[in-house]
Amino acid sequence: AQTVTQSQPEMSVQEAETVTLSCTYDTSESDYYLFWYKQPPSRQMILVIRQEAYKQQNATENRFSVNFQKAAKSFSLKISDSQLGDAAMYFCAYRSLGNQGGKLIFGQGTELSVKP
Amino acid sequence: GAVVSQHPSRVICKSGTSVKIECRSLDFQATTMFWYRQFPKQSLMLMATSNEGSKATYEQGVEKDKFLINHASLTLSTLTVTSAHPEDSSFYICSAGGQRTGFYQSYEQYFGPGTRLTVT
Repeated sequence: AQTVTQSQPEMSVQEAETVTLSCTYDTSESDYYLFWYKQPPSRQMILVIRQEAYKQQNATENRFSVNFQKAAKSFSLKISDSQLGDAAMYFCAYRSLGNQGGKLIFGQGTELSVKP
Repeated sequence: GAVVSQHPSRVICKSGTSVKIECRSLDFQATTMFWYRQFPKQSLMLMATSNEGSKATYEQGVEKDKFLINHASLTLSTLTVTSAHPEDSSFYICSAGGQRTGFYQSYEQYFGPGTRLTVT
């Protein structure tokens, strides 16, 4: 079975600085998707970024980028120029391809605070 | 596009009563819906996966007789918490996926805003 681990329960960053959130996963599959979701105080889950395992290029979405190391099974999220609105819980998630119907496996989450 | 709604957003009920939570995909047809439970400061725990027109698949440890899931149409799934007790108080989140476009089926998941259940 696949597992996702986020070893940082809490992180803090100064506004306008850069922060990196860590995520590791375990799988025997070769093709899969990885995601970072943001959950602000409203608790609405928001997709931040997606990475397909077959793509070697790291995904980027504006200030958000990932460092995907497939061999090391590592998938970290870098937030550049942090803003107060980035404060939230961040969840790393794994999804298999194929017939599991798209089930997501979430990590424990990292609570990010942004200091003005 | 890809909006998922949940109703109600908050519900308070007395111990022993049943509560129904609705999850709707507003602008797409979802062949698969997922129900999650989340405690404060914790991750999302998948409770069950439901496919339209068939019985839900429950995760290990989830009581299927207590958490009844119905996915009667491609746009609606319901979660009924039967004989609710204070320990069932939690935040329940649904997501919808399996959107079909022609022969292609997407497994992208879109999340509802969640329902806070308080059992007194």
